[in-house]
Amino acid sequence: QSPLTQPITVPGSPGQSITISCTGTSSDVGGYNYVSWYQQIPGKAPKLIIYDVSNRPSGVSNRFSGSKSGYTASLTISGLHTEDEADYYCSSFTSSGTHVFGTGTKVTVL
Amino acid sequence: QVQLQESGPGLVKPSQTLSLTCTVSGGSISSGDYYWSWIRQPPGKGLEWIGYIYHSGTTYYTPSLKSRLIISVDTSQNQFSLRLTSVTAADTAVYFCAAGYNAFGVWGQGTMVTVSS
Repeated sequence: QSPLTQPITVPGSPGQSITISCTGTSSDVGGYNYVSWYQQIPGKAPKLIIYDVSNRPSGVSNRFSGSKSGYTASLTISGLHTEDEADYYCSSFTSSGTHVFGTGTKVTVL
Repeated sequence: QVQLQESGPGLVKPSQTLSLTCTVSGGSISSGDYYWSWIRQPPGKGLEWIGYIYHSGTTYYTPSLKSRLIISVDTSQNQFSLRLTSVTAADTAVYFCAAGYNAFGVWGQGTMVTVSS
């Protein structure tokens, strides 16, 4: 199974909104509403911030939102904060009963 | 709240077997609430889902590792384990255990495993 495709970097400024895309196939993103997003600070374990395409776990800021259209899922961060600078990964359930992660996106806050 | 902790050797020789254990605390591995996963991250690279196991013993593995991989569960010890045979330098990574099914909501801190002679 091939990794889901994400942009390598997405830059932003404080207060701005940014969107990270995650593109897969009909066998993963396009076939199931089981897309999740993770925030990873270097040297730390990833943290779940969105599950089932658009749901936020308890305690996650409402500045994070998710959506999906066709084979592409998206994560939007609104009102960008400096502490949002991190790596972000999407993941999807697949038709094989497995999971696949995206290639990862580095968000920089300038 | 469930917590996870990985343990195992930090250095493995090429062609040997990598063995790691994840200890579950704050909940029972037999509860059926989660699938129990292994995920790895080579230095400077992205996340790779390795596989998961349900308390019943049902497993799913990523195709690229399936021939070398066994994930098992020990409900009496509240642990699940990973065995990866015939390792090479490409298996050098931080290995995380995680809990979830459609998403991975609980993660261990990760353990670095280096494959080197």
